[in-house]
Amino acid sequence: SQTIHQWPATLVQPVGSPLSLECTVEGTSNPNLYWYRQAAGRGLQLLFYSVGIGQISSEVPQNLSASRPQDRQFILSSKKLLLSDSGFYLCAWSPGQGDYEQYFGPGTRLTVT
Amino acid sequence: SQQGEEDPQALSIQEGENATMNCSYKTSINNLQWYRQNSGRGLVHLILIRSNEREKHSGRLRVTLDTSKKSSSLLITASRAADTASYFCATDARAAGNKLTFGGGTRVLVKP
Repeated sequence: SQTIHQWPATLVQPVGSPLSLECTVEGTSNPNLYWYRQAAGRGLQLLFYSVGIGQISSEVPQNLSASRPQDRQFILSSKKLLLSDSGFYLCAWSPGQGDYEQYFGPGTRLTVT
Repeated sequence: SQQGEEDPQALSIQEGENATMNCSYKTSINNLQWYRQNSGRGLVHLILIRSNEREKHSGRLRVTLDTSKKSSSLLITASRAADTASYFCATDARAAGNKLTFGGGTRVLVKP
């Protein structure tokens, strides 16, 4: 069966510090991968998605970047965090083709102080 | 911008009652999905309904889709305290990468 992991679970970082959040998927190959951000009490905002290694599409101009160095690894990064980067970050995957649901990881709660 | 907008934003009911929430969207879709999120957790997929379907059931869940009105509803019958969660609709508009656009969600509280 497929599983998706995210770490860390929680993170408190000062403004101006770098960020690296990691997401890995097991039990599937060539998945579509997604990074979302969720503000408190709100819906999900799609940040990045990837349909293959090295292929990243950005949905929202921002202070963040994403990379996919391996088929089942998706990394969200920032060189210098802003207060507005605080939120709940969710990684998700879906099979590469067809009308499929997305499967979400447990999320990372990021607080920028 | 959000494609789907849920209504109501919050709902409080007694255990055993039915809970109904609605989702409206703006552009043509390939399918519409409903997800559930317990507080501080990831989302869990509940049901997917395609644009050529009008109704779908899964256990105590019933989803309807009216493409002429660009709206969907999620009904939870005989609610339980464990159904307390936020519920989101998400639309897939056949965009590259099977991207989903999520609504703002309905927070459901089921009181025992």
